[in-house]
Amino acid sequence: QSVLTQPPSASGTPGQRVTISCSGSSSNIGSNTVNWYQHLPGTAPKLLIYSNDQRPSGVPDRFSGSKSGTSASLAISGLQSEDETDYYCAVWDDSLNGPVFGGGTKLTVL
Amino acid sequence: QVQLQESGPGLVRPSETLSLTCTVSGGSISDYYWSWIRQPPGKGLEWIGYISYSVTNYNPSLKSRVTTSVDTSKNQFSLRLNSVTAADTAVYYCARERVDGYIDVSLAFWGQGTLVTVSS
Repeated sequence: QSVLTQPPSASGTPGQRVTISCSGSSSNIGSNTVNWYQHLPGTAPKLLIYSNDQRPSGVPDRFSGSKSGTSASLAISGLQSEDETDYYCAVWDDSLNGPVFGGGTKLTVL
Repeated sequence: QVQLQESGPGLVRPSETLSLTCTVSGGSISDYYWSWIRQPPGKGLEWIGYISYSVTNYNPSLKSRVTTSVDTSKNQFSLRLNSVTAADTAVYYCARERVDGYIDVSLAFWGQGTLVTVSS
């Protein structure tokens, strides 16, 4: 199991707002910035959020990130069918002295 | 625009060495941290290791079997994973950090990935 805990699945209907959580510890989320990736298996993962809440150029503002203590969240508002894929959190872990990924959350748009 | 492309054998026999190369175009390989990540079938993303200049760092679970290198003349970096087993079957990705000289797991550029199957 991963050092970072994500729910294995999440779902929502078109137009709805959904959130995906990422729970860690003081050695990772508690002391470093969180990144989020959107990943359709078999394709290149896409950086969705960096530094907890920053969006790279080209990422719609429907996607937002936040962090509090040793947990982080990805929120997707105005859910669209094309948002149906896998999402991962990632952060540097001071104990591991390296990057760690969450186990991933599969988002279904109902 | 920076582009990365993995290359290497798609099939490796058990106990042998997996070797992959990532070719970087549209930017210099200098000054950045370059990572290898993999995704076993049906599982999540796993960090393998990174390299920058002569600095390397590997996942402790793989450290005894992994080496990475950079060839600045070819704008390529490579991965070698020895003594492979079926558990090493995965899609392997190469990736680059968003900011030069800094690593915070904000991997802004990725290759498309290459499936490596370990089987006799």
